[in-house]
Amino acid sequence: ETGVTQSPTHLIKTRGQQVTLRCSSQSGHNTVSWYQQALGQGPQFIFQYYREEENGRGNFPPRFSGLQFPNYSSELNVNALELDDSALYLCASSFSSGTRYNEQFFGPGTRLTVL
Amino acid sequence: RKEVEQDPGPFNVPEGATVAFNCTYSNSASQSFFWYRQDCRKEPKLLMSVYSSGNEDGRFTAQLNRASQYISLLIRDSKLSDSATYLCVVTYTGNTPLVFGKGTRLSVIA
Repeated sequence: ETGVTQSPTHLIKTRGQQVTLRCSSQSGHNTVSWYQQALGQGPQFIFQYYREEENGRGNFPPRFSGLQFPNYSSELNVNALELDDSALYLCASSFSSGTRYNEQFFGPGTRLTVL
Repeated sequence: RKEVEQDPGPFNVPEGATVAFNCTYSNSASQSFFWYRQDCRKEPKLLMSVYSSGNEDGRFTAQLNRASQYISLLIRDSKLSDSATYLCVVTYTGNTPLVFGKGTRLSVIA
């Protein structure tokens, strides 16, 4: 196991509602990245948090927002849910150190269904 | 054009077969290359990194051709347990985001 946990595991919401997903990073890691994986697709980068600041964002609207806490855990918030937001949401934890690539470890994901 | 493109699949092969997956990437600035494996309804897990010199891990061989911007994965002597989706992944420098292909599903049949 990677030591990265996510909650909840499954969630059902209706259009227009808001949702908060949570991720606890692996011990010693300072960076969390969030990805959205729609059915039959590869994961798509949403945004990354490094030392509590947003450190890069993919092609997602502002209703997708996030936070990183001093213990490096993170939240993903989605407002005004749409049917197309139904997906597996993955967080990945890593340790950032300059330009060297360090492996990102994925949590088990939260499966969101929007009705 | 997508940044990372993979064979559409699915691949259905008998046990013991050799199967090859192909992947191309569009950004020549890409620095790091990987194959991930994803089981049904699970998170992706790193299968292996891919180096220009090629690398092998047991039955798995990965190759990178930077000039052609092409990555491959060869699985020899397929096992039932190899059934999964294989994702081609590239990234740039440091802790930049992973860019995934759509994935190719493999089913190994007894």
